[in-house]
Amino acid sequence: QSALTQPASVSGSPGQSITISCTGTNFDVGGYNRVSWYQQHPGEAPKLIIYEVSNRPFGISSRFSASKSGNTASLTISGLQPEDEADYYCSSYAGVVIHYVFGLGTRVTV
Amino acid sequence: QVQLVQSGAELKKPGASVKVSCKASGFALKNHFMHWVRQAPGEGLEWVATLNPNGEDTAYTPRLQGRLSVTRDTSTSSVYMELTGLRLDDTAMYFCAREMEGPKQNFDSWGQGTLVTVSS
Repeated sequence: QSALTQPASVSGSPGQSITISCTGTNFDVGGYNRVSWYQQHPGEAPKLIIYEVSNRPFGISSRFSASKSGNTASLTISGLQPEDEADYYCSSYAGVVIHYVFGLGTRVTV
Repeated sequence: QVQLVQSGAELKKPGASVKVSCKASGFALKNHFMHWVRQAPGEGLEWVATLNPNGEDTAYTPRLQGRLSVTRDTSTSSVYMELTGLRLDDTAMYFCAREMEGPKQNFDSWGQGTLVTVSS
């Protein structure tokens, strides 16, 4: 099972919006509404910011939004802030053999 | 509050085994799937294992099948991951993670990570 495809890096200025794509296949992203997104700052554990394609856990800023179309999921960060500078990973459930696949990660620079 | 606290860093030789613990607090293990995810230095995340809320059913990545075992001790509210036949490319930070009750197929709370270094 291949990793999900994400851009290696995305950059933006404070206040701008950026979008990170995550492309998979019919066997993962396209097959299940179980796409999640994680933010990871250097030296820290990942943090769940989006689950089930577009839901935000309690306490996650509304500046983070996400969607899915076909085999591609997208994460948008609006009103970019310095603290948003981190690595972002998408993940999808992929069935009972592989279970979960991750993207290779996108480095966001503000 | 929900907390996952993992055991400390390990340095092992090729062929050895390692057992990493993850102590849960603030929730009941019997209500959640628990996962292990690893991250090689400078690399991305890789799912490696899942333990069912019943504490018995497990799932492992095919890459590590046969070398990996995940268990639970409800008396200490801890989950364990044991990896045998260690190879140099098993060097990674190993995270335990909880899945939202549902299930929801996500990882909503994470341990701080345990660095496992395999070196001769």
